[in-house]
Amino acid sequence: EAQVTQNPRYLITVTGKKLTVTCSQNMNHEYMSWYRQDPGLGLRQIYYSMNVEVTDKGDVPEGYKVSRKEKRNFPLILESPSPNQTSLYFCASAWEGAGETQYFGPGTRLLVL
Amino acid sequence: GENVEQHPSTLSVQEGDSAVIKCTYSDSASNYFPWYKQELGKRPQLIIDIRSNVGEKKDQRIAVTLNKTAKHFSLHITETQPEDSAVYFCAAGDNTDKLIFGTGTRLQVFP
Repeated sequence: EAQVTQNPRYLITVTGKKLTVTCSQNMNHEYMSWYRQDPGLGLRQIYYSMNVEVTDKGDVPEGYKVSRKEKRNFPLILESPSPNQTSLYFCASAWEGAGETQYFGPGTRLLVL
Repeated sequence: GENVEQHPSTLSVQEGDSAVIKCTYSDSASNYFPWYKQELGKRPQLIIDIRSNVGEKKDQRIAVTLNKTAKHFSLHITETQPEDSAVYFCAAGDNTDKLIFGTGTRLQVFP
């Protein structure tokens, strides 16, 4: 089954404790992206990747890192989480770019205390 | 940078009525305009999209219109049903591979 998966689905952590949210797709998509969703603010792009080893900042990259060492995986790293990073995070992928259908993962709900 | 405004933030309609959601964008270079539907607790899913070389696109009960001169596009849902209740997001993108989303519209369809 073609899908985008994320892990974990729910995470409670404390300020400053490094964490990684994994994202994987099995559709051989070149484009992958991370969004955060907050009430009243919609979906805001954090980072995106056009292909392996090619990543770029979205609108809200501060406090986040990403890597794209393999085509199927695009992990989101929070080196030192802060309470303002409490949010619902979605990973998405598309064939070649943002100008195509994006397939979203199930979401990761993060609470930073 | 690109900015996308979406209105209204909430919309309540009676089953069978029509619903219209409007978005405006700021970057004249935008050429791709998708609409996503997000049901409660679920992931966003594409329902329809339009590109800048087309003024209108229909898919059964949903349609999208685009006015490039005015830089606005709209989602139209006819004969609404309770299962149309969800949050709808518009978005605008260009060839830089960034996609900017609107803030969402919560649509409630009452039986």
